[in-house]
Amino acid sequence: EAGVAQSPRYKIIEKRQSVAFWCNPISGHATLYWYQQILGQGPKLLIQFQNNGVVDDSQLPKDRFSAERLKGVDSTLKIQPAKLEDSAVYLCASSLWLRQGNSPLHFGNGTRLTVT
Amino acid sequence: GENVEQHPSTLSVQEGDSAVIKCTYSDSASNYFPWYKQELGKGPQLIIDIRSNVGEKKDQRIAVTLNKTAKHFSLHITETQPEDSAVYFCAVLTQGGSEKLVFGKGTKLTVNP
Repeated sequence: EAGVAQSPRYKIIEKRQSVAFWCNPISGHATLYWYQQILGQGPKLLIQFQNNGVVDDSQLPKDRFSAERLKGVDSTLKIQPAKLEDSAVYLCASSLWLRQGNSPLHFGNGTRLTVT
Repeated sequence: GENVEQHPSTLSVQEGDSAVIKCTYSDSASNYFPWYKQELGKGPQLIIDIRSNVGEKKDQRIAVTLNKTAKHFSLHITETQPEDSAVYFCAVLTQGGSEKLVFGKGTKLTVNP
């Protein structure tokens, strides 16, 4: 099966600019996740979708980050305006259904964002 | 919230030796414990997982052990090979509210030929 697709692979922007990342999950996967991975740390969940509804966005900095999953398939994550501390790899993951203990996560290769 | 501690942060072994990575967690209600391998420039990949009703699980050269009483679990890699070199992350599935995977900070494993 095709894996989770993400684009772009790399992005360099200046602080206060905006940026958007795109994710296409594995076909048929109802649950989609965006994680932030800062260098030297483990991934941290930003937002979780079940189909096109938000399940958990408690760790999403909503003053600058937004995400949507129209039609319950592809998703975009946006940052506006970016700060230096947003420099990280943004990982998209998907799973077949919501109960993660029975449906492992499949990660994409991420988008590496550098904010200067 | 759940706190996951992972040790060591770096580990260097000779090819053929064993490697052990340990994680501790705080929430006794957690019941699912996966391990991920992340190679440079790639996303994490699930390599093995264990549920709280099992004490040990093995898949070829990889095994995971779980001690629920002590709230720690470990990844064991035997007969290490250079291609095992990567960053390994443990994770714990929280049970409060919506399920959420909380990751450790990772262990960079280097297998020297």
